[in-house]
This record gives sequence, C-alpha cells and structure tokens, in this order.
Amino acid sequence: ETLLTQSPGTLSLSPGGRATLSCRASQTVTSNYLAWYQHKPGQTPRLLIYGASTRATGFPDRFSGGGSGTDFTLTISRLEPEDFAVYYCQQYGNSPQTFGQGTRLEIQ
Amino acid sequence: QVQLQESGPGLVKPSETLSLTCSVSGYSISSGFYWAWIRLSPRKGLEWIGSIYHTGSTNYNPSLKSRVTISVDTSKNQFSLKLSSVTAADTAVYYCARDRGYYDNGVWGQGTLVTVSS
Repeated sequence: ETLLTQSPGTLSLSPGGRATLSCRASQTVTSNYLAWYQHKPGQTPRLLIYGASTRATGFPDRFSGGGSGTDFTLTISRLEPEDFAVYYCQQYGNSPQTFGQGTRLEIQ
Repeated sequence: QVQLQESGPGLVKPSETLSLTCSVSGYSISSGFYWAWIRLSPRKGLEWIGSIYHTGSTNYNPSLKSRVTISVDTSKNQFSLKLSSVTAADTAVYYCARDRGYYDNGVWGQGTLVTVSS
C-alpha cells in the first residue's frame, strides 16, 4: 500500500498569504495520479486538483498543484477567507488508492 | 445532473453488520464507471473502502477486505455496502461516490454518519 504523508499537519496563515502544502508518497505514484481535495466542515470533500497539476472546475488559478514521483505540492497564493479548510491528497495510480491524513489550513 | 444519496441506519451495535445503500439519479450505473464507498473519521481521515462496476466486479481496500461486501442492483440504480463485525473504530461519515480513480465535484453523496455503539 502506498502511504501518503502530508505536512504540515496544521498551517496557520493570514489572508493574502501563500500556502504550500506537501504530500509525500512511500513509493512512486504511477502516472502521477495524485489528487487534492478541499474539505470544509459539514460539506462533501471537493476535488481541487487531479493528475498532480490539473485544476478542477470551479477553482481559481491561485490554486496550483505540482510535483511528480513521490513528492507533490499544493500551493495557494493570495489566501482568501474561504480557502481555510482541510486539504487531503489522494493517490490513485497504485492499488489500493490511498489518502493522506490531511493538512488543516487555519487563519492565523 | 448526477446525484447520489446514502441511506441506512445511523446507529449500529458492536459486532453487528453495517448496511448502507446509495441511490443514483441522473445517470445509469450500467453506463459505466466504478462506484465507491469512502469514509471519513477523526482517527483515520479519508479512507477508500471499495468500489464496484456495474458488472459486479469489485475492488476492496485490503485492510477491510475480510469484512466488506459491495453489491450493485442495476434495476434500482443502486449499490450497497455491508461491513461486518463493526467496532467503535468504524464510526465515521460514510460517502458513496462515482469512482474515476479520483472523485469529481458533485458526484458524491452528502454523506451519512454511522455511529457504532451499544
């Protein structure tokens, strides 16, 4: 099983700041099949990025995904109040698909 | 537009079997895709439980495989989850979703909280 380790566990930033979230895989993620989700309390997790860098419909270009192999990042530039949430990475290139434990992005 | 809705008991006793059904509207399960169950718990975060194709072909998370059965009823456009011998560790919000490897926006159920307690 491919273990995904997200860091940091919690990130405290101010609106207008820049967030960099990390997701490290225990083995190479096949075809860079890595997704990111945004999860707000009481809502369904929302697909943000797939294929490591393709932004899903409905998210602005201040969200970007990058990386390959075992190291992936999610960057949010110019944080808006609605961006504060929990972010999960998921790999679907290796069986079984697995999720990271999440990074909580909170307002400082 | 595709909509998914979970249904089933919100409280299950330890050692019993958790049973949930996902009703799909706006899309025929028989048209394709895998259909998945995922859960979210404070202890483990998001966890993929397993997926099923309309033919009945299944994939399960190895960590749960011995206790999980996912089935499909194409005539009702539904798929179901059974998780046996539950413990408190199985307390979670259970989601059904369309499985493309990843999970599209809007193609998740709203989620249903299942608590395991006597």
